[in-house]
Amino acid sequence: QVQLQESGPGLVKPSQTLSLTCTVSGGSISRVGYYWSWIRQPPGKGLEWIGYISYSGGTSYNPSLKNRVAISADTSKNQFSLSLTSVTAADTAVYYCARVVSTYSSTWLDFWGHGTLVPVSS
Amino acid sequence: DIQMTQSPSSLSASIGDRVTITCRASQTMRTYLNWYQQKPGKAPELLIYAASNLQNGVPSRFSGSGSGTDFTLTISSLQPEDFATYYCQQSYSLPYTFGQGTSVEIK
Repeated sequence: QVQLQESGPGLVKPSQTLSLTCTVSGGSISRVGYYWSWIRQPPGKGLEWIGYISYSGGTSYNPSLKNRVAISADTSKNQFSLSLTSVTAADTAVYYCARVVSTYSSTWLDFWGHGTLVPVSS
Repeated sequence: DIQMTQSPSSLSASIGDRVTITCRASQTMRTYLNWYQQKPGKAPELLIYAASNLQNGVPSRFSGSGSGTDFTLTISSLQPEDFATYYCQQSYSLPYTFGQGTSVEIK
């Protein structure tokens, strides 16, 4: 059973960089066919896909976040990380990491972390 | 971006009721449609993938159907543990997008 766990600072100040790490257990992030994704949910609102990193290190991001986002991976620790720069109060959300299964016929997010709330406040 | 529209946004139902939630995409996307259940304070959980495939461990009262632009999630007999918010999500094109959610409440 794959498990994911988010970690990072509990509070970020406006204009600073939000940094989170997702530690994966029960499966390698380098395994072919899997992507590793970040999703966020502002309090009381819906889900927004942030981006992913593939098993080979390729990335894709939501254009809504413009050039503020970067996702990287450390295969030696079986972790992947999110960096979001120049944050504002609008970036306050619960941040989830999740595994993406990609097959020839479809793609879905099958395992999710518990999520971590990151308030942006001075 | 593909826009996903769920209806209704909320519904009230009784134990044992048959519940249907619909999801409409702004463009055709074959069967690249997934359904998730989210309970308060918890992460979403995958229910249905590729429009109609039941995720391992999900009760058989949940089912999904549809292709193209119109999709449906059905709960055949609502149970107490099914009261939650349900989201559809398209994975046909990037960026992945979610519907706004459907809250299923106790009548």
